[in-house]
Amino acid sequence: AQKVTQAQTEISVVEKEDVTLDCVYETRDTTYYLFWYKQPPSGELVFLIRRNSFDEQNEISGRYSWNFQKSTSSFNFTITASQVVDSAVYFCALSEEHFKAAGNKLTFGGGTRVLVKP
Amino acid sequence: NAGVTQTPKFRVLKTGQSMTLLCAQDMNHEYMYWYRQDPGMGLRLIHYSVGEGTTAKGEVPDGYNVSRLKKQNFLLGLESAAPSQTSVYFCASSSGEKLFFGSGTQLSVL
Repeated sequence: AQKVTQAQTEISVVEKEDVTLDCVYETRDTTYYLFWYKQPPSGELVFLIRRNSFDEQNEISGRYSWNFQKSTSSFNFTITASQVVDSAVYFCALSEEHFKAAGNKLTFGGGTRVLVKP
Repeated sequence: NAGVTQTPKFRVLKTGQSMTLLCAQDMNHEYMYWYRQDPGMGLRLIHYSVGEGTTAKGEVPDGYNVSRLKKQNFLLGLESAAPSQTSVYFCASSSGEKLFFGSGTQLSVL
């Protein structure tokens, strides 16, 4: 069965510090998809990124970057120069099926709460 | 720009009562989902639908029923509420690689 573990339940940083969120996953499939979602205080989850298991290239989007390592089954997320607006709960998720087959049935990790203090 | 709309936003039930949560999306998405969010457990899939008239069980379907009579609506029903169903419920829809979520329904069962 698939499983996603986010060992850090809460991280507190001061504004402008970098913060890295860990995500470790378990799956028996060779084809799978990894996601990160952000849940701000308003409650609505917002999509950040999707990676498939064949694409191990790291990705950078503004202050956000992702490090995908199949060898360690990890998909870590780094926020560079954090800002107060980054305060949220961040979820890592895994799907073993392509959305065209069965929709985006995601298995979520427990989430990491990030608190950025001014 | 509605996106995914959930009603109600808050509800308090007594054990044994029934209720229906409504999810509506205006993006013409084929796929719709109901998740529940509990502290430290992330979101867990209750039921989902891959198209109008279809439903399927997710990870934690017991105690819930769903219906998708119209493409834009996905209803989640609790026939006999239990305290273990106290949670925040999220509806989501998708037509591709990402899910669009509603703002959630906070349900307390006393």
